[in-house]
Parts: sequence; structure tokens; C-alpha cells
Amino acid sequence: AAGVIQSPRHLIKEKRETATLKCYPIPRHDTVYWYQQGPGQDPQFLISFYEKMQSDKGSIPDRFSAQQFSDYHSELNMSSLELGDSALYFCASSSYPDRGSGELFFGEGSRLTVL
Amino acid sequence: AQKVTQAQTEISVVEKEDVTLDCVYETRDTTYYLFWYKQPPSGELVFLIRRNSFDEQNEISGRYSWNFQKSTSSFNFTITASQVVDSAVYFCALHKGETSGSRLTFGEGTQLTVNP
Repeated sequence: AAGVIQSPRHLIKEKRETATLKCYPIPRHDTVYWYQQGPGQDPQFLISFYEKMQSDKGSIPDRFSAQQFSDYHSELNMSSLELGDSALYFCASSSYPDRGSGELFFGEGSRLTVL
Repeated sequence: AQKVTQAQTEISVVEKEDVTLDCVYETRDTTYYLFWYKQPPSGELVFLIRRNSFDEQNEISGRYSWNFQKSTSSFNFTITASQVVDSAVYFCALHKGETSGSRLTFGEGTQLTVNP
């Protein structure tokens, strides 16, 4: 079965550069979530989208922005990168009726390293 | 506000021992869902179980079992006859049960090491 696809899997950037992560949800899933997991930390919720509209917002820095496109894929844009942005970024997707239960299917993550 | 607490930061056992991972949650919602995820060293998050707040039946799946007790707001996870491949970080998580794509809140995780 198709899973959540994230790209790139690994990304190395310099401080103050910009990075874009992409997420392709499971087919027919209409909700996408972004999480950030720092070293030794639990995943922290950043933002979610349902039907291309932002549905919930967590601890996403102002330097970050995200959107969900008409084909339901999502992109997380990160600007003015800082060392502390180095983390594993997870995308997850869900769909009704699962959306209400919160069964999120996670991608394998994109590991961002900021030097 | 929702909160999930996993008081055990690290647990180390010898293979074939049984081990229980504790999870305590806080929520004001009457409808909610509880989850356990496994994160092996490779980094992906592997879904283990989902339980809704109206179903307090314990569940067993092979060597895994879960004990949900609303009275103590706990959702503990037991691995029977642990194996080296069980070594991973385990996260307990809570969801509000809404239909708007609201967040899943994770606990801080428990690092389980199973030694041969």
C-alpha cells in the first residue's frame, strides 16, 4: 500500500539559507500534518491542513511557512535557517473517518542539518 | 490543554524479560484517542495501537498488550518476553478526537534497550 512520501530524506544547509520540504500524502487523504523532532526530543506539532486550509497551528516559527496544494501535497518552507532548526521533520496524513480519531500515518521523515 | 507524561526516560532489560512502559495523560475532553508509536533507531514512527476513550477493554496483540484505565488516566504498554528488536523509543500520544485535523500530542518518550 502507498505510504506518505517525504522528500528529500536528507538535507544539509548553511545558516541563513532557505530549505523546502515536500510531503505527498497517502492517496485520498485530505489532511496533512507537520512535526519537528529535535535530537532526543518528542515530535512537536508545527501545523496542519485540511482541504488546503490551515486547520491547526502549533509551535511553528514565523520563519517557517507551509501550504497544501490542490493535489493535497504539502510543502514546508523554512527561511533564515538557524542551527536549532536541525531536526527530523515528519509529515503525516489522515482522512475521514480516520481524521476524527487522529490515526496519523507518518512518513519516514526528512532530516535537516544546518551547519 | 492536553498533556502526556511518560515518567520513564530509559528502561534497560535483558532479553525475555517482561517490561511495562507507563503513560499518564491529561485532557478535559470526554472523547479522545490514545496511541502508542515505536521509533526504532532508523527514525521512522511506527503505529502500534489506537484506543478511544469509550473503550476500556485491554488489548493483546502477540507479545504486546495495553492496559487502559480511565480512572487513573493511564494507558500502559507491556511487552512480554522482550527481544533485542524491541529496542527503540516508544511514544504515547493523545488526540482530541475532533474532525478538524487537530494535533496529536506526544509524550516525551521512553528509550527501551533490550540486551541479549
